[in-house]
Amino acid sequence: HSALTQPASVSGSPGQSVTISCAATSGDLGTYGLVSWYRQFPGSAPQLIIYQISKRPSGVSPRLSGSKSGNTASLTISGLQADDEADYFCCSYVAEYTWVFGGGTTVTVL
Amino acid sequence: QVKVVESGGGVVQPGSSLRLSCITSGFEFGGFAMHWVRQAAGKGLEWLAVAKYDGSKEYYADSVKGRFTISRDNSKNTVNLQMDNLRAEDTAIYYCRASGGEGSRHAPYYLDYWGQGALVAVSS
Repeated sequence: HSALTQPASVSGSPGQSVTISCAATSGDLGTYGLVSWYRQFPGSAPQLIIYQISKRPSGVSPRLSGSKSGNTASLTISGLQADDEADYFCCSYVAEYTWVFGGGTTVTVL
Repeated sequence: QVKVVESGGGVVQPGSSLRLSCITSGFEFGGFAMHWVRQAAGKGLEWLAVAKYDGSKEYYADSVKGRFTISRDNSKNTVNLQMDNLRAEDTAIYYCRASGGEGSRHAPYYLDYWGQGALVAVSS
């Protein structure tokens, strides 16, 4: 199955935008169109912030947006704020009842 | 109020077994896919296993296939993970997760509930 590669870290100043990529190393990330993103604060469980590539659950900030181009999905955080500092993970449904997570990206607000 | 609570973690020796349990409330357990996901210290998330909403099928990551067994009891709103022949590399926090979408009975994709995790340490 595909492995999902994310940058280990990204950073930006308050108010800037940052984009986290999630690249599938093999196969088609878009076969099922089921890419999701999670945010995790230290010591806490992951929280779903994007599902089905670009949809936001109720209550998730519109500053978070997802997209996909070819075999790479992306999460963009616009108007970066201090409380955006967290780890972010992509996740893809890659085969029948099989999921894969990316390695995670730490977002730092400078 | 949704609750997902794992239990059964602990320190065990290599080669031994451990059974994690997850009890839930506040949502229609029998309509959701139930997963186990783990996270080693300072590392990323690793999906391990899923039990379909009706318990008819279970699927596993290659890393645990043949050693771990997921099971669910819809009458008790619980899901278990039996872990056999444990290795040092199985040391992690183990999360129980309920999800809509694939493996659920038409539960929306945006419904996604996680517990706070159970720590499993495998060490001699």
